[in-house]
Amino acid sequence: DTAVSQTPKYLVTQMGNDKSIKCEQNLGHDTMYWYKQDSKKFLKIMFSYNNKELIINETVPNRFSPKSPDKAHLNLHINSLELGDSAVYFCASSQGQGPNEKLFFGSGTQLSVL
Amino acid sequence: AQSVTQLGSHVSVSEGALVLLRCNYSSSVPPYLFWYVQYPNQGLQLLLKYTTGATLVKGINGFEAEFKKSETSFHLTKPSAHMSDAAEYFCAVRGHAGGTSYGKLTFGQGTILTVHP
Repeated sequence: DTAVSQTPKYLVTQMGNDKSIKCEQNLGHDTMYWYKQDSKKFLKIMFSYNNKELIINETVPNRFSPKSPDKAHLNLHINSLELGDSAVYFCASSQGQGPNEKLFFGSGTQLSVL
Repeated sequence: AQSVTQLGSHVSVSEGALVLLRCNYSSSVPPYLFWYVQYPNQGLQLLLKYTTGATLVKGINGFEAEFKKSETSFHLTKPSAHMSDAAEYFCAVRGHAGGTSYGKLTFGQGTILTVHP
C-alpha cells in the first residue's frame, strides 16, 4: 500500500477553472504538507498542517486553499487557475519533531494550465 | 533565512566511477541537512540526513555525505556508481528549534545524475 497517495497524477485544465488535488496518508502521521515544484525544479513549501490545524502558510496566493478534514487527509483546492500555477505539487507527511522528523512524499501531481 | 545551492544541474559519470554531487547551504542557525532522491514518476525518498554528532553520514544505497561547517557544504558521494543510481538528487536544509525556519524544508534545485555503461 502506498504510504502517501495523491490524486490525480496528472491534471490538465484551462485558465480560470477551479480544481482540487487530494492527498491521503496511511502512516498515522500528525503532520502533512504541500510542496510546489516549479519548472526550474525548485521545491518550495506551501502549507503545513498538524492535527488538522494550519501551522505553516508560506506566501501563497489566497486562490490556494488547503483543507484537512482529518489528520490523514490534506486536500489542495485552487481557484481561478493561472498559467503560472503549472507545476508539480507534492504532498508529504511526517511524524516526530526535531532530528527524528522524517518526511514521506507522495509521487506528485503534475498540473498543466492551458 | 535559509537557502541551498546545488552546483551543477546535471552530472554524468560512468558506471563504477565516483559520484560527487555538491551542495552548499546558508542558514542563520546550525541546520539539519538532507539528501533526497527522486526516481522518475515517484516522490522524493530520503537518502540520508545530518542532525548532530558525526559529520560523516552514511545513507542508503552506499551513499554518504559529509557536513563541513567551515565550508557550509554537505556534498553527497558514492565510491562506485551503479546504473540504478540514475535519478534526480535534492539537497535540503531545515531549521530546528530556535530558528525561524523550524519545520520547513528548503530544497536546492536538484541535480540529475546520469550513469553511462
